[in-house]
Amino acid sequence: DAMVIQNPRYQVTQFGKPVTLSCSQTLNHNVMYWYQQKSSQAPKLLFHYYDKDFNNEADTPDNFQSRRPNTSFCFLDIRSPGLGDAAMYLCATSGRDWGKGEQYFGPGTRLTVT
Amino acid sequence: AQSVTQPDIHITVSEGASLELRCNYSYGATPYLFWYVQSPGQGLQLLLKYFSGDTLVQGIKGFEAEFKRSQSSFNLRKPSVHWSDAAEYFCAVAPRGSSYKLIFGSGTRLLVRP
Repeated sequence: DAMVIQNPRYQVTQFGKPVTLSCSQTLNHNVMYWYQQKSSQAPKLLFHYYDKDFNNEADTPDNFQSRRPNTSFCFLDIRSPGLGDAAMYLCATSGRDWGKGEQYFGPGTRLTVT
Repeated sequence: AQSVTQPDIHITVSEGASLELRCNYSYGATPYLFWYVQSPGQGLQLLLKYFSGDTLVQGIKGFEAEFKRSQSSFNLRKPSVHWSDAAEYFCAVAPRGSSYKLIFGSGTRLLVRP
């Protein structure tokens, strides 16, 4: 089945130690998104790629970076994680109906910062 | 101000009972409308969507939603709830004109009594 895959599902990192989260998709979608979701809150968009064009949300901290080396893969880099960055990180993709907001989500990576 | 409101933080229903989850939006033009479900520790799954046309839309898992323009609402319904429906439900909109971006409501947590 075509899908959005996130690895790892659980990640523990130390305060200030860089960490990278991975997302891959077999849907061949043009658009890939990264969201941060804290406990009992709605997902918050960090940034998205339309093909290789990167679009940062205005309130996304500089501590968060992203790379998209090809259509299938997208990475979220947190350069110096703080305790406040502990959250679920969700990757999503969008294809033909990207202009109407239709997005497909992966299972998420739960990040713990110690 | 533009917003998406889910007025119920928690709802508890008995298994087999009917369900209605409320969603209201405040946008100048009718946005694209979505309902997502999130089980604990999982990503978001698209239940159904409304772009245009018939105002009653059918989704997966026996859910349906009705768009009412006069009330700026897009309420989710299910005639008979199963224990496996216990989850968090998010209403989301994609505003026309900036519809790459999903705006989420705050979510409604559904608890199902045996």
